[in-house]
Formats: sequence, structure tokens, C-alpha cells
Amino acid sequence: EAGVAQSPRYKIIEKRQSVAFWCNPISGHATLYWYQQILGQGPKLLIQFQNNGVVDDSQLPKDRFSAERLKGVDSTLKIQPAKLEDSAVYLCASSSTSTFYEQYFGPGTRLTVT
Amino acid sequence: QQQVKQSPQSLIVQKGGISIINCAYENTAFDYFPWYQQFPGKGPALLIAIRPDVSEKKEGRFTISFNKSAKQFSLHIMDSQPGDSATYFCAAYSGAGSYQLTFGKGTKLSVIP
Repeated sequence: EAGVAQSPRYKIIEKRQSVAFWCNPISGHATLYWYQQILGQGPKLLIQFQNNGVVDDSQLPKDRFSAERLKGVDSTLKIQPAKLEDSAVYLCASSSTSTFYEQYFGPGTRLTVT
Repeated sequence: QQQVKQSPQSLIVQKGGISIINCAYENTAFDYFPWYQQFPGKGPALLIAIRPDVSEKKEGRFTISFNKSAKQFSLHIMDSQPGDSATYFCAAYSGAGSYQLTFGKGTKLSVIP
């Protein structure tokens, strides 16, 4: 069974530029999560999708972050414009409908904003 | 407000020794407590998990101990090996309401030969 795929793995941008991350969850997993992991901290949930609908985006900085999950499979997370404090690893995870608590993570995208 | 407090921040253990990582939570609505293991450059991987109606769960060299009254749980790694060197995160999940995992800040474990 293929795991959660993410791309790119690394991205370096200047502040005020825009960036997008892509995630393909485990096949059949209806729930998809985007997390932000700052160095030395645990992952923090940004947004949770159930199929193509948003379940929770209360911690997503909506003035600069946006996410979509068209057709209930792949998802894209965008930052525009980026700030220095957005430097972090962005993790995508997925879970099945019956076991929300068993989340499977991708390798992440390491973003550096200079 | 941090809902899951994890300690220590870092831990050095001799090969063959026991590694112990502790977590405490505040929200009594949490009903599932997983531990994740993360190697550099990788995403967190589910290691072992426990529900609050069980006081201990063992899988191989990994054991979770759970104290519901104290709202604390811990991970014990027996016969620690250099390959266990990683960052470990405890987490808590509530099936009522947000369906979110709340993570601790992590413990960086180094097992030295």
C-alpha cells in the first residue's frame, strides 16, 4: 500500500512570495489533514478535510493560507504572501473514516522563507 | 495553551537501557493516546496507542503506561537500541467535537552504544 505522497520535499522562497504544496493521501482515505511543524515542536493542525469538505480550519491563517481538496483526493496548500515565520515543515496526513485517530503522515515539505 | 505537556525535551540512554518519556494532559474528553516516532527528514509514524480504559499496553519493546486519575501517560522503550534514536511525540485525540490530534512538543532520544 502506497503511503502519503507530498511534493516538493524542499522549497526556498523569499518573503512576500507565494508557494504551493501538494499532497496525495493513501488510497481510500476520506480524511486529509495539513499540519505545520516548526523546528523543535510537535505538529500543529492547520486544516482538516472530510472528502472535499472542510471539517476544521480554525487554526489556518486565512489571510495568507488557503487549501483545497478538489474531487476529494489530492490537496493543495498555498501560502501567499509568505512571511519569515512560515518557515517550517508542512506535513500532510490522512486517515480512514472509521479510524480518524490513526493518522498516516507523508514525509513533509521543508519550507524556508528568507 | 498547550493541552499535552511532554518531558523531557531530550534524553540520552545507553544501549540496552530503558528510555522513559512522560506526558500529561488536561482535557478529560481525550479518549485515545498515540505515540509517534519521527526520524530526521521523515513524517511522524504511529508507534503504539492506548485508550483510557486500559492501564498498560505492550508491543514488543515498547510499552505505554496510562494513569487516568493523574491524567498522565508514558512511553517505555526497553532494551533501547541505537536505531531507536528519533524524536518521539505523544498525542491525544478526542472523538467528541474536533476529532483532532493534539501533539506534545516532542522528546529527542539518543541511544548511545
